[in-house]
Order: sequence, then structure tokens, then C-alpha cells
Amino acid sequence: NAGVTQTPKFQVLKTGQSMTLQCAQDMNHEYMSWYRQDPGMGLRLIHYSVGAGITDQGEVPNGYNVSRSTTEDFPLRLLSAAPSQTSVYFCASSQLSGNTIYFGEGSWLTVV
Amino acid sequence: GDSVTQMEGPVTLSEEAFLTINCTYTATGYPSLFWYVQYPGEGLQLLLKATKADDKGSNKGFEATYRKETTSFHLEKGSVQVSDSAVYFCALSDSPIQGAQKLVFGQGTRLTINP
Repeated sequence: NAGVTQTPKFQVLKTGQSMTLQCAQDMNHEYMSWYRQDPGMGLRLIHYSVGAGITDQGEVPNGYNVSRSTTEDFPLRLLSAAPSQTSVYFCASSQLSGNTIYFGEGSWLTVV
Repeated sequence: GDSVTQMEGPVTLSEEAFLTINCTYTATGYPSLFWYVQYPGEGLQLLLKATKADDKGSNKGFEATYRKETTSFHLEKGSVQVSDSAVYFCALSDSPIQGAQKLVFGQGTRLTINP
């Protein structure tokens, strides 16, 4: 009963370092996405994908990279971490034919 | 662009009180509307949804009615419990592709219920 799995749950980075947040889903969902959650701002869409090999930008894509080589996985890469990227990151997935999105438990990232 | 506005928090109530969390939206089309709940240290869970005008979503004693004329989707519960303490997010999806959900969230409302 895994659903959407994110790793790591907590991470501290130094400014300029790179890292990848992993996201995997076992529900065969075509649609996957990444959001960031900042205090007082709700969640904002970073990138999304409607299927393997297809990605697109959301509301706040700068500083992030994604790829979708398989249906199951949708990693989010921070190329050169900045303190402004300190946030909680959520991965989500859904069927293209449905309108219920399932979220992972979140990844808490601190950039110092 | 699309937007969602929720009532400012935090909201603190006593157990068994009546709850209303206001949510209004702006959208160009006919969005689907959602309430998500985030319990401490956890991810977001779908609480309820409505996909067209006058639909009422309900779950765990919570209700919200899609009001197109007032562009609102207020969350209500008749008698809250301590276990309802969480952050509540109103959201909409106005994606042109059916099911390809790009959610737009409100800022969230933190609810604390005291025994």
C-alpha cells in the first residue's frame, strides 16, 4: 500500500550543492508533479509530467530540473541550491482520466 | 490567472464547536474544487471535492458546496473534535486536459481544536 513515496524526508544542503529528491508511485498513474510549500503561500507547482518522456514547467520552475524516464519515477533535481529553495517539497500523482491527486508525505529541505 | 483565497488563520475552537473555513476562487473556466487536509508531519490528503456547480462534497463530517454564483467553496463541520486539528487547504483545478491536474492552492488555514 505504498502510494507515492518520497525520499529523503529531511535534507540539509549547503548553498551551491546539488541534489535529487526522489519520487516513486506504484499506482500506474500517468500524471506526476512536484509542489513546494512555503509558509503563508500554500503549495505552488514546480514541474509536472503527463507521461514518460513528457515534462513541463509549472508556476515556479527556476532552479529545478525534472525528467520522466519511467511511469513510476519523477525525480526533482536542484542544480545549485540556494537558501530561497528552503521549503517542503511534495510529489503528487494521479490518473489522467481521474481528478483525485495523491500526495507523498513531503521532503523537508533546508539550504544554509 | 486562477487563484484561491482562504480565510486567514490560525483558527482556534473548542471541541464540539461549529466550524466554517471560507474559500473563494477566481477561474476562467469551470474548475473542480477540492479541500485537502494536512495533519502534523504528514502529507496532504484529499478531504472532499466537487466537480460542478451545486455539488456538495462530504467526508468525515465535513461538507462544502460548490457555489458558482458566489465563486465559493466554504468548508463546514457541525461539531469539531480535537483530532480535526490540522492545516486545511482549498484548491482548484482548471486544467484543459481532463484529469491532468494542475492544482492552484489557497494559503492554508491552521485549525486548532481545544478539549
